[in-house]
Amino acid sequence: GENVEQHPSTLSVQEGDSAVIKCTYSDSASNYFPWYKQELGKRPQLIIDIRSNVGEKKDQRIAVTLNKTAKHFSLHITETQPEDSAVYFCAASKTGTASKLTFGTGTRLQVTL
Amino acid sequence: EAGVVQSPRYKIIEKKQPVAFWCNPISGHNTLYWYLQNLGQGPELLIRYENEEAVDDSQLPKDRFSAERLKGVDSTLKIQPAELGDSAVYLCASSFSRGVDTQYFGPGTRLTVL
Repeated sequence: GENVEQHPSTLSVQEGDSAVIKCTYSDSASNYFPWYKQELGKRPQLIIDIRSNVGEKKDQRIAVTLNKTAKHFSLHITETQPEDSAVYFCAASKTGTASKLTFGTGTRLQVTL
Repeated sequence: EAGVVQSPRYKIIEKKQPVAFWCNPISGHNTLYWYLQNLGQGPELLIRYENEEAVDDSQLPKDRFSAERLKGVDSTLKIQPAELGDSAVYLCASSFSRGVDTQYFGPGTRLTVL
């Protein structure tokens, strides 16, 4: 089955700096890669996703890049703010009959003032 | 539009007791998922429903866990009997269809087994 590895497990940045979280996946057939943000005690919330037919997607301060050849994808947050502090999870799945999301182990991002 | 609803939000029980969790997906979402999230880990799929049919329950410990989605809308996940290691957050998610894939999560039920 699919295996998703995520790094780093913790990340501390100063407000205004950029943060990058990286994930690798094992199943070359995976074609959908969402990122979820989970604040303490709350539900995971989808913040951005990318499908394998594009290499990059951007939404304001958040961007995701995908390298299918290397089987890795990354989340980039620019101009970080304290409210960006949370745990971020990457995930991978195949669309269609096997649409099971496999999650990474999470990155705890701390944005300090 | 209301999101995925789960109840209860918290549950504390003694080991060997039964427990049940309820989930109501987003209106119109045909696919429903139950996930287990241990502390400091990502969610892990327990079971996935397409309407009322369980299409992927390979990760569900069937000796003690059961689930149902009788009318293809809301769903119940049951544990009987609960064990200490079952303490975790149980998340429900839904998507419009399996082809779309975007999954929306509920707030979860935090289970503590004493």
